[in-house]
Amino acid sequence: SQQGEEDPQALSIQEGENATMNCSYKTSINNLQWYRQNSGRGLVHLILIRSNEREKHSGRLRVTLDTSKKSSSLLITASRAADTASYFCATDAWQAGTALIFGKGTTLSVSS
Amino acid sequence: DAGITQSPRHKVTETGTPVTLRCHQTENHRYMYWYRQDPGHGLRLIHYSYGVKDTDKGEVSDGYSVSRSKTEDFLLTLESATSSQTSVYFCAISEGGGGYYEQYFGPGTRLTVT
Repeated sequence: SQQGEEDPQALSIQEGENATMNCSYKTSINNLQWYRQNSGRGLVHLILIRSNEREKHSGRLRVTLDTSKKSSSLLITASRAADTASYFCATDAWQAGTALIFGKGTTLSVSS
Repeated sequence: DAGITQSPRHKVTETGTPVTLRCHQTENHRYMYWYRQDPGHGLRLIHYSYGVKDTDKGEVSDGYSVSRSKTEDFLLTLESATSSQTSVYFCAISEGGGGYYEQYFGPGTRLTVT
């Protein structure tokens, strides 16, 4: 069963706009990670945020975590066509043992 | 890119035949994972390993077995392939377990069972 659920399932924007994707999860976590997957490729790690952190930045990426609402958001600022990809959140819920549980992803399309 | 390769990259096989997928890493990472990715289901964990000869089941382990006799190799075997196992299979590695470590993914194996 999926722990994290991304929203929206698909997002289409123009270059230069910001893209926001959300992830909600069901049980308590220690950490939450975001990954990107370009079409036909493996996933690439973007950012890890710990449960005691509220916000984290990496370049044009901003991730927030609200453990009281069991939700996280990924903001990509000034999107580029190269940001077109699927984005997944992953959590380390207790039932996963030492593994991560991935959501179904948000497909982002950035047009120029 | 992390030194992680998968073989074969593409395979077509018939129902009922055994299939083995190989994941090879050059990073000496302790943890290795096998996932399958299907439309509408995202990424689901099949099995993972936390050391040589140490493995555990994931969410969708039925019909799959794994072996890890060396740190660098993690094999996934479909004992008797079925059409429902048509999927893209990804291997991943990490230095440690849980969500404290990022995972590095291989390029994937596209398996079609006819």
